[in-house]
Amino acid sequence: DGGITQSPKYLFRKEGQNVTLSCEQNLNHDAMYWYRQDPGQGLRLIYYSQIVNDFQKGDIAEGYSVSREKKESFPLTVTSAQKNPTAFYLCASTTGAGDYEQYFGPGTRLTVT
Amino acid sequence: QQQVKQSPQSLIVQKGGISIINCAYENTAFDYFPWYQQFPGKGPALLIAIRPDVSEKKEGRFTISFNKSAKQFSLHIMDSQPGDSATYFCAASLSGNTPLVFGKGTRLSVIA
Repeated sequence: DGGITQSPKYLFRKEGQNVTLSCEQNLNHDAMYWYRQDPGQGLRLIYYSQIVNDFQKGDIAEGYSVSREKKESFPLTVTSAQKNPTAFYLCASTTGAGDYEQYFGPGTRLTVT
Repeated sequence: QQQVKQSPQSLIVQKGGISIINCAYENTAFDYFPWYQQFPGKGPALLIAIRPDVSEKKEGRFTISFNKSAKQFSLHIMDSQPGDSATYFCAASLSGNTPLVFGKGTRLSVIA
């Protein structure tokens, strides 16, 4: 099956700990994205990568870090510097041609207490 | 600065009725306008998308209407069903692999 996988589905951490969210795609997509979703806020862009070994900050990058060492993988680290990390995190990827349709993974719900 | 404004925030429609969700954008360089459907606890799913060279696109019960001069586009759901109850997001982007800018979402409830 082709698609985007995110793991785990639910993640619980104590305040002050860094945590890494996984995102893998087997769609051969060049571009990958991380969004954060909070109730009533829509989807806000954290980081994106259009090519391996390169990435750009989105609108709310503070307190987050990413890497793109492989085309298939785009992990997101939520650091202790992120003030309000509890949220629903969504990974997406985009086709490299045509309509550039963006497809989303199932999401990871992170709860920090 | 919100580049895509979506309304209404919530919508209740009778089964069989028409659901209409509106979006307005500011950046005239946007040239790709998708709509996403999201069920609770799931990732958004691409529903239908349009480019500004057409004024309307229809796929089944879902239609996008696009007004380039007004910088507005809307989603119409015909014969709305309880299974359509979800949150809908409009979005816009520039050409190529550029990030989408999302509206804040509309929570649709279709009641029998």
